[in-house]
Order: sequence, then structure tokens, then C-alpha cells
Amino acid sequence: ETGVTQTPRHLVMGMTNKKSLKCEQHLGHNAMYWYKQSAKKPLELMFVYSLEERVENNSVPSRFSPECPNSSHLFLHLHTLQPEDSALYLCASSPLAGAGQPQHFGDGTRLSIL
Amino acid sequence: DQQVKQNSPSLSVQEGRISILNCDYTNSMFDYFLWYKKYPAEGPTFLISISSIKDKNEDGRFTVFLNKSAKHLSLHIVPSQPGDSAVYFCAASVLSSSYKLIFGSGTRLLVRP
Repeated sequence: ETGVTQTPRHLVMGMTNKKSLKCEQHLGHNAMYWYKQSAKKPLELMFVYSLEERVENNSVPSRFSPECPNSSHLFLHLHTLQPEDSALYLCASSPLAGAGQPQHFGDGTRLSIL
Repeated sequence: DQQVKQNSPSLSVQEGRISILNCDYTNSMFDYFLWYKKYPAEGPTFLISISSIKDKNEDGRFTVFLNKSAKHLSLHIVPSQPGDSAVYFCAASVLSSSYKLIFGSGTRLLVRP
């Protein structure tokens, strides 16, 4: 039990589909993150939310749209994705954004774009 | 250009011996470093961290060493156990914006019984 739950665990979608990834944390944290891990590449930070405000958008294409309705939930809305977007998408949370606080990760959503 | 490098993609160690995982970084502004462990089909789990005011931090069987002049850190696991078999990632950040972690590509550790 990681305290950070991601759904779905696996997703296959066509390039014209619209889907959403969901993340929920049960740790009482105030910061949430989206990361992308492509095959044989390091984890890449995509977005950071602190107290429901976006504090980082790491040059991510607009076909990825994050949403943080409250400090426990984070979504990643996907539309018109490309084959190179196939990857493992990881959500994380931390008590605060910064100040040396380790991030706690979910188990990820494995996304495949057809 | 990768700012955090783990040059050994894999490491195999006998149970009971020491495992040493290495990590190099290029950005001299980094002052906060972490190690994560990842099992298959699970997310990374935080192991241990160190800030640049220290050169060593210990937690049970895990010790992280930081050599700032060489821009190098290492994770020592003593004694190694089969359950330690996993992928280990080092990550670095600037403490003032430590939410922005830069990860290495990972080292797969196999501890042989």
C-alpha cells in the first residue's frame, strides 16, 4: 500500500482518443506531481501542483492537460497523443513542494498509443 | 545532456556482501540528493537522502556518501539481501526548489542467494 493510488494501471488508446489518468493520495500531502518514464530513459518531471496551484510545467506539449481539483486528487487529461507518448506515467506526492521532502510515488499507469 | 548519471546499468552481488551503487552529477548547484528503489510493476520507493552540508548519512543497512568535489555520490548496502534486488535510482535537486528532482537512469541490482 503506497498511499498514492493511480488508475488505470494499464491503458491502450488510439491517437484520436481522449482519456484521463487519475491519481489519489491518502497521505495528507499538499504537493502532487506527474512524471513520465519512457523506455531506457530517466524519469522526467512533467507537472507540479502545490496547494492546488500549478508551480511547474516542464515544457510539456499541450496534448497533456493536468488538473488538480483538490490536494488529494490529480488528473492528467490526454488527447491526440502520439506513439512516442507511450510510456509509464507516475504520480507522486509530498508534504510540501520543496524543502527537502521526499516524494512518494504511485505504481504508475502504463500507456500504449496505437 | 544528462545532469545525473548512473553509469552502471546493472550490478550483481553475493548475499551478505556489500553492494555499492554509484551516481555522478554535473550541476554544481545541486545540494540535495536522494536514492529510490523500484521493484517491477511498482512505483519508486524513497530510501535515503543527503544534503550537501553532510558527506555521509546512514539508515540501517543503507549508507549514502557524498563527495562534492568529485560530484559523486554512492549508496552502500551492507549486508546485501536477496530482497534488495531492484532498480536503484539516484536523484538530485537544488534544495530551494527540491520538488524539481533530476533522476538518473537507474542501476539494476541483483543479490544472489
